[in-house]
Amino acid sequence: NAGVTQTPKFRILKIGQSMTLQCTQDMNHNYMYWYRQDPGMGLKLIYYSVGAGITDKGEVPNGYNVSRSTTEDFPLRLELAAPSQTSVYFCASSQGQGASDTGELFFGEGSRLTVL
Amino acid sequence: QQQVKQSPQSLIVQKGGISIINCAYENTAFDYFPWYQQFPGKGPALLIAIRPDVSEKKEGRFTISFNKSAKQFSLHIMDSQPGDSATYFCAASPGRKDSNYQLIWGAGTKLIIKP
Repeated sequence: NAGVTQTPKFRILKIGQSMTLQCTQDMNHNYMYWYRQDPGMGLKLIYYSVGAGITDKGEVPNGYNVSRSTTEDFPLRLELAAPSQTSVYFCASSQGQGASDTGELFFGEGSRLTVL
Repeated sequence: QQQVKQSPQSLIVQKGGISIINCAYENTAFDYFPWYQQFPGKGPALLIAIRPDVSEKKEGRFTISFNKSAKQFSLHIMDSQPGDSATYFCAASPGRKDSNYQLIWGAGTKLIIKP
């Protein structure tokens, strides 16, 4: 059972380049999330999804896009990379609504992105 | 009103001591308060969580104390061990009533346990 898998683990981008961070989960979770983590700032929600075909903005969505075509996958697209997007990105999933839902988030190991 | 304030930013404790991390919130709609533990190079993982119908929850050496009137909650790590060295995040959310578990996170506390 792999849980939440993110790729790549590390990436260096030049200003203005674009890229996609991949995230897949094998727990059949309904909810998926993208967070960014900056030193001393905790985690900030970028986008989330409550199911396939449904996405919504979080606290810091500017400069990012997402899609959710399947339950398993939730890629994060960075368009026109800027130095302010240098961060560690975490994908997470949770079961979502249901009697057995505990609210627990399951995180991937993160993708460290540097924009130069 | 959507902030969760966490302190201290960093903490050094001797092995065997008690580590205490505090969090405060303002939104009275919050009803789910988890603590996550993060080791270097890894994602956060749920450590323990509490809902405001109880004032304390204990799991092994880890205890959450919750003060609803003061809108504060804290994590106590008893008999702290070097393996507890990690970054700890508190969080809060409106829980099921809001349906999305949109957690509001504290800034994190880097805990170092000295042997």
